[in-house]
Amino acid sequence: DAGVTQSPTHLIKTRGQQVTLRCSPKSGHDTVSWYQQALGQGPQFIFQYYEEEERQRGNFPDRFSGHQFPNYSSELNVNALLLGDSALYLCASIYYGWANYGYTFGSGTRLTVV
Amino acid sequence: GNSVTQMEGPVTLSEEAFLTINCTYTATGYPSLFWYVQYPGEGLQLLLKATKADDKGSNKGFEATYRKETTSFHLEKGSVQVSDSAVYFCAPLSAYGQNFVFGPGTRLSVLP
Repeated sequence: DAGVTQSPTHLIKTRGQQVTLRCSPKSGHDTVSWYQQALGQGPQFIFQYYEEEERQRGNFPDRFSGHQFPNYSSELNVNALLLGDSALYLCASIYYGWANYGYTFGSGTRLTVV
Repeated sequence: GNSVTQMEGPVTLSEEAFLTINCTYTATGYPSLFWYVQYPGEGLQLLLKATKADDKGSNKGFEATYRKETTSFHLEKGSVQVSDSAVYFCAPLSAYGQNFVFGPGTRLSVLP
């Protein structure tokens, strides 16, 4: 979606390597969530970052870690890559207003582990 | 936590046919309910949403009504087009808006 930027769009890594994915949220959005979508499945929640801290985490191992910077952009790091980590990784840009909220997904990074 | 059950696909329809994709959910509290669409090779696009019981979300001819009594949010469209071919995901959003729980998705193929 326009305004949420993820990079790179595609990449190929070798099993055992480490990877870093990046996300820049929409202007005015201060919260970022990451999701993993394996081929043929629905996205699964990895974690959410707010005020540079991990606020909530899904059922993913510690090999998955993240970071949020003061400008609200975020990184997802995956260590010791496994073949099963091959997926589309989606970043969601979020704001929580007083009476409403906005939730916008990026186009994703497709990671292939060989 | 939340969970979602969607009708299994693939669903194959002829152009101008009526579409229904069933979705039921379990949730604590009162989640907001969403339908997302994913076209081949792309990310998720919000199709429609409803934030409270009996609300009807609608967009591009699609609609769904938040049925709290049956915990359902079925997606309907009166006349599908070839361009509607995609995967559709039903997803409740937890009461505090922190994360979605996505169903497995329903693949729709519309034939001319």
